[in-house]
Amino acid sequence: EVKLQESGGGLVQPGGSLRLSCATSGFTFDVYAMTWVRQAPGKGLEWVSSIGGVSGPSTHFADSVKGRFIISRDNSKGTLYLQMNSLRAEDTAVYYCARHMIRGVFNYWGQGALVTVSS
Amino acid sequence: IQLTQSPPSLSASVGERVTITCRASQGIGSDLAWYQQKSGKAPRLLINDASNLESGVPSRFSGSGSGTDFSLTISSLQPEDFTNYYCQQFNHYPVTFGQGTRLEIK
Repeated sequence: EVKLQESGGGLVQPGGSLRLSCATSGFTFDVYAMTWVRQAPGKGLEWVSSIGGVSGPSTHFADSVKGRFIISRDNSKGTLYLQMNSLRAEDTAVYYCARHMIRGVFNYWGQGALVTVSS
Repeated sequence: IQLTQSPPSLSASVGERVTITCRASQGIGSDLAWYQQKSGKAPRLLINDASNLESGVPSRFSGSGSGTDFSLTISSLQPEDFTNYYCQQFNHYPVTFGQGTRLEIK
């Protein structure tokens, strides 16, 4: 059974940093591209960042987080990360990790981790 | 690529047939997916490649379209279908989602 589990969310002050983790199981992690999607309270889905699998570990970022967020993966641990720096109030959201099915279609999702940026 | 989803909200009755549309700002072939999201839960993939139904998704859901105009149809609404729906394009980065459609029971 495929499982994704986010951790590392919480309350952080504006300008602060936080690292989210997404622990996975049930599939060959290094084969698949992975993604972070967020959802601000009461709002729609927003793609944040993606990283390729072993065949091409390229990274992509939404303009809203470019230069502030870093996506990475540890294939030996089956874990995806999102390092979030210089956090702003508008980064407040539930952050989901998701596994790609093909290209940019996400067929498995974690349950989400809440990040609140507030003083 | 911007996705314009309509309507933003829709009221319908159990058993009714409804259609949600998604228009892309430029052609994306068939690189469109539809997701269902229930309150407090992660999205669930319903349809990929514009019209391919995901395994386990009821056959009352169907997708169509290509290029810039797409639609999701639910042929006979069931009580569990009254929730939020999003389209998403994966033609190229940045991946984008539509603004969502809230399907409410009449």
